[in-house]
Amino acid sequence: GENVEQHPSTLSVQEGDSAVIKCTYSDSASNYFPWYKQELGKRPQLIIDIRSNVGEKKDQRIAVTLNKTAKHFSLHITETQPEDSAVYFCAASKVSGGYNKLIFGAGTRLAVHP
Amino acid sequence: SQTIHQWPATLVQPVGSPLSLECTVEGTSNPNLYWYRQAAGRGLQLLFYSVGIGQISSEVPQNLSASRPQDRQFILSSKKLLLSDSGFYLCAWSGRGAETQYFGPGTRLLVL
Repeated sequence: GENVEQHPSTLSVQEGDSAVIKCTYSDSASNYFPWYKQELGKRPQLIIDIRSNVGEKKDQRIAVTLNKTAKHFSLHITETQPEDSAVYFCAASKVSGGYNKLIFGAGTRLAVHP
Repeated sequence: SQTIHQWPATLVQPVGSPLSLECTVEGTSNPNLYWYRQAAGRGLQLLFYSVGIGQISSEVPQNLSASRPQDRQFILSSKKLLLSDSGFYLCAWSGRGAETQYFGPGTRLLVL
């Protein structure tokens, strides 16, 4: 069935370093790839997304890259800050049956140390 | 702008008791609505989705049910809670035909 694998499960970096989280998906029909940030006890918040007709997208310190051939996509955070500490979830989706079914990765717990 | 509400925010219930969680969306019409469950320290599992009033689809067999009595109201229910029903329940919405899903604040349920 449809599956999204996310690595690493935990990531610890020093403030100012870069962080990279990688995801692979199984369904080649997937065409939308959002990333969510979830702080402790809070709701997941969309931070960036990319569609299958685009290879890269950037928003200030965060960027996402997509390799459709290899079926993987990555989140890049540069100049990390302590407030970037959270759990990050990737997802892949396609429209199916009139709705957009998101398949989530298991999450990456990012810790940024001052 | 659109907002999504969930209540209650937290709930402690005994095993075998009923459950009703409510989700409402403001500022949009005909949204797609979703219920997810997140176990402690885990990922997001889709439980139900709805593309319209009275239209409910279930993703996984379980002890829960969902209903959509109004366009912008989505309810998650159970007749008898199990210990394994504990978790963080998140409602989400997306525009009709749109890809992006936005999550509500969630309900933290503890079954004892």
